[in-house]
Amino acid sequence: AQTVTQSQPEMSVQEAETVTLSCTYDTSESDYYLFWYKQPPSRQMILVIRQEAYKQQNATENRFSVNFQKAAKSFSLKISDSQLGDAAMYFCAYRGYGGATNKLIFGTGTLLAVQP
Amino acid sequence: DTGVSQDPRHKITKRGQNVTFRCDPISEHNRLYWYRQTLGQGPEFLTYFQNEAQLEKSRLLSDRFSAERPKGSFSTLEIQRTEQGDSAMYLCASSLETGHGELFFGEGSRLTVL
Repeated sequence: AQTVTQSQPEMSVQEAETVTLSCTYDTSESDYYLFWYKQPPSRQMILVIRQEAYKQQNATENRFSVNFQKAAKSFSLKISDSQLGDAAMYFCAYRGYGGATNKLIFGTGTLLAVQP
Repeated sequence: DTGVSQDPRHKITKRGQNVTFRCDPISEHNRLYWYRQTLGQGPEFLTYFQNEAQLEKSRLLSDRFSAERPKGSFSTLEIQRTEQGDSAMYLCASSLETGHGELFFGEGSRLTVL
């Protein structure tokens, strides 16, 4: 069974600085998707960034980028120029590609605080 | 496109009562998912539908839980004989069968069982 591990329950960053959130996963599949979702307090979960496993190039979305290491099964999220609005719970998630597995499997999350 | 909507947003009930949550997915999405999230934890998969067919159920889903999506549009999640351990946020999400795999989430329905 696939698992997702986030080993940092909480992180803190100064406004305008850079922070990296860690995620590792375990799977025997070769094709899959990886995601980072953001969940602000009392608000809905929204997609931050997505990575397809077959793509070697790391995904980037504005200030958000990932470091995808397929062999190491590692998928970290880097937030550059952190803003107060980035404060939220961040979840790493895995989804198999095709086949019978269509659900997202989530890690336990990292709570990010942004200090002014 | 109004996104995924869930109702009610909050529900307080007494142990032993039945509760029902409703989810309206994004209109063109044919896949619908239910997750449960407890405080400080990641969402746990409960079940998912493709159109009206319930294709997968988690072993977490006891026989007190039932979900339906009768016409392939909105879905309901019913919990019978609620227990205090059922207190959680129940999240609904939807997605296209095609696409890049991401789920679009609603704001959730928070259940408190007294």
